[in-house]
Amino acid sequence: EVQLVESGGGLVQPGGSLRLSCTASGFTFNTYVMNWVRLAPGKGLEWVSYISSPSNAIYYADSVKGRFTISRDNAKNSMYLQMNSLRADDTAVYYCARGDYLRETYFDYWGRGTLVTVSS
Amino acid sequence: QSALTQPRSVSGSPGQSVTISCTGTSSDVGGYNYISWYQHHPGKAPKVTIYDDSKRPSGVPDRFSGSKSGSTASLTISGLQAEDEADYYCCSYAGSYTYVFGTGTKVTVL
Repeated sequence: EVQLVESGGGLVQPGGSLRLSCTASGFTFNTYVMNWVRLAPGKGLEWVSYISSPSNAIYYADSVKGRFTISRDNAKNSMYLQMNSLRADDTAVYYCARGDYLRETYFDYWGRGTLVTVSS
Repeated sequence: QSALTQPRSVSGSPGQSVTISCTGTSSDVGGYNYISWYQHHPGKAPKVTIYDDSKRPSGVPDRFSGSKSGSTASLTISGLQAEDEADYYCCSYAGSYTYVFGTGTKVTVL
């Protein structure tokens, strides 16, 4: 059974940093692309970042470019999101989502998310 | 990238059909055959119900169907059931491994 479990969320002050983790199980992690997607209170889902299976292709939404860094450790079946210079509008539930194997054009499995709150 | 436009809410009685629209541009919805739809019960993991505009993953009931015309995609839920009450989001591939989601629609079963 495919499982994705996010962790590392919490309360952080504006301008602070946080590192999220996503631990995967139930599939061959090093053959799939992975993504972070967030859901802010009262808003819709927003794609945040993409990382290819060997980490040689990385993309970000404009809203987080230059502040967030995605990475993965295939030996640990894990993906990470380093979030710096956090702002109030980064407050959201952050989900890790696996890209589909064939064309990577949709997200076929998701975790339950971890809540990040940016507030003083 | 601007969010795709969805109605804020739709509702229907059990057994009825509801349709959710998702409007974008030629740079996203109209430019690729890669619309997906996600069902989200708050507090749970989102779940894909439609991918590649109209394909249904195994395990998703056939009362869920997707279509697209130009820059507008649609999700139809036929034979509405109580467990279909959730938030629904469309998503379009937007090129170069970037993606844009819709604003979300709350489906209420009356």
